[in-house]
Amino acid sequence: EVQLVESGGGLVQPGGSLRLSCAASGFTFSSYNMNWVRQAPGKGLEWVSYISGSSNTIYYVDSVKGRFTISRDNAKNSLYLQMNSLRAEDTAVYYCARNFASWGQGTLVTVSS
Amino acid sequence: EIVLTQSPGTLSLSPGERATLSCRASQSVSGSYLAWYQQKPGQGPRLLIYGASSRATGIPDRFSGSGSGTDFTLTISRLEPEDFAVYYCQQYGRSPFTFGPGTKVDIK
Repeated sequence: EVQLVESGGGLVQPGGSLRLSCAASGFTFSSYNMNWVRQAPGKGLEWVSYISGSSNTIYYVDSVKGRFTISRDNAKNSLYLQMNSLRAEDTAVYYCARNFASWGQGTLVTVSS
Repeated sequence: EIVLTQSPGTLSLSPGERATLSCRASQSVSGSYLAWYQQKPGQGPRLLIYGASSRATGIPDRFSGSGSGTDFTLTISRLEPEDFAVYYCQQYGRSPFTFGPGTKVDIK
């Protein structure tokens, strides 16, 4: 069974940093492209970032370029999102997704003073 | 960036009725890389349709997708009580992989 479990969310002040993790199990992690998608409270879905299985290809939505960094450790079956210079508008539930077919339960990031 | 527009914003129907949801793209979606998701309150999205018309694993055949280019449709042939939810389309052919704003299907 495919399982994706996000962690690392929490309350952070504007300008602060957080590192999200996504622990994957039930499939060959290195064979799959992975994504981060977020959803602000009461709003729709917003794709944030993509990383290929080998980490050779990485994409970001413009609003996070230069502030967020996606990475993965295939030996640890883990996906990461390093978030720096956080803003109030980054407040959202962050989901990791395997090829958009399987999703985690999400982790809430709240940026507030 | 490909902008997706979904209509209607809200669809009020009764169980057993047919639901037709529209997704229009600002540019042609390459390779028909268009997906549909269902999301219920407090839950993550669930993939229903990929490649514009292929049902994801375990999705009932009352859900069907069609379309190409810039116009796509999700049809639910007969609404079941568990189908009342928000539905999103998404293009994943070109970064950024944008989502539409969603259509809420609620009980009339």
